[in-house]
Amino acid sequence: DAGVIQSPRHEVTEMGQEVTLRCKPISGHNSLFWYRQTMMRGLELLIYFNNNVPIDDSGMPEDRFSAKMPNASFSTLKIQPSEPRDSAVYFCASSPARGARGYTFGSGTRLTVV
Amino acid sequence: QKEVEQNSGPLSVPEGAIASLNCTYSDRGSQSFFWYRQYSGKSPELIMSIYSNGDKEDGRFTAQLNKASQYVSLLIRDSQPSDSATYLCAVPFSGYSTLTFGKGTMLLVSP
Repeated sequence: DAGVIQSPRHEVTEMGQEVTLRCKPISGHNSLFWYRQTMMRGLELLIYFNNNVPIDDSGMPEDRFSAKMPNASFSTLKIQPSEPRDSAVYFCASSPARGARGYTFGSGTRLTVV
Repeated sequence: QKEVEQNSGPLSVPEGAIASLNCTYSDRGSQSFFWYRQYSGKSPELIMSIYSNGDKEDGRFTAQLNKASQYVSLLIRDSQPSDSATYLCAVPFSGYSTLTFGKGTMLLVSP
């Protein structure tokens, strides 16, 4: 199994630009999570999907952030417009069961907004 | 308030020693607990899970759970320099289907 695949690995963009992060979960995993990690705040949950349906998006910081999961093998996290404070590592994770179990994380996308 | 607290460290131990990492959590109703290891610049990797009070051993790793005191710990025996990483405690709070992570404890094992 290839694991959870995220792209791009690194993204540098200018303030105000749109950023799209991509994730392919492990085949057969029903739950998908987007987390953001910073030194100050640690790992924070942004949004959780189960069977492609958003279940908990309470962690999405503001309307500039949106996430979709059009099918079981693909999800996107979009930031529009991006701001310097969005700079962080964004992780996608998937799990074979509904809810909290041991997640498998992707390699992450390091986003820098200048 | 969902809180998972860990000492940020760094915790420095010599090679061969026992490293003890601790975590406290705020929800008495939590039922399962996870330890992740994260090397610098890498993603978190699940290394242990524990569901019942007491100890769970897996190789050099032992997870200990005390629900009454709301703490969970991770012991690493015969610590190796390759164990140097940040260890994250993760807890699903009751009523939630997702993991809340502590900020992690950095462990440094010196040769």
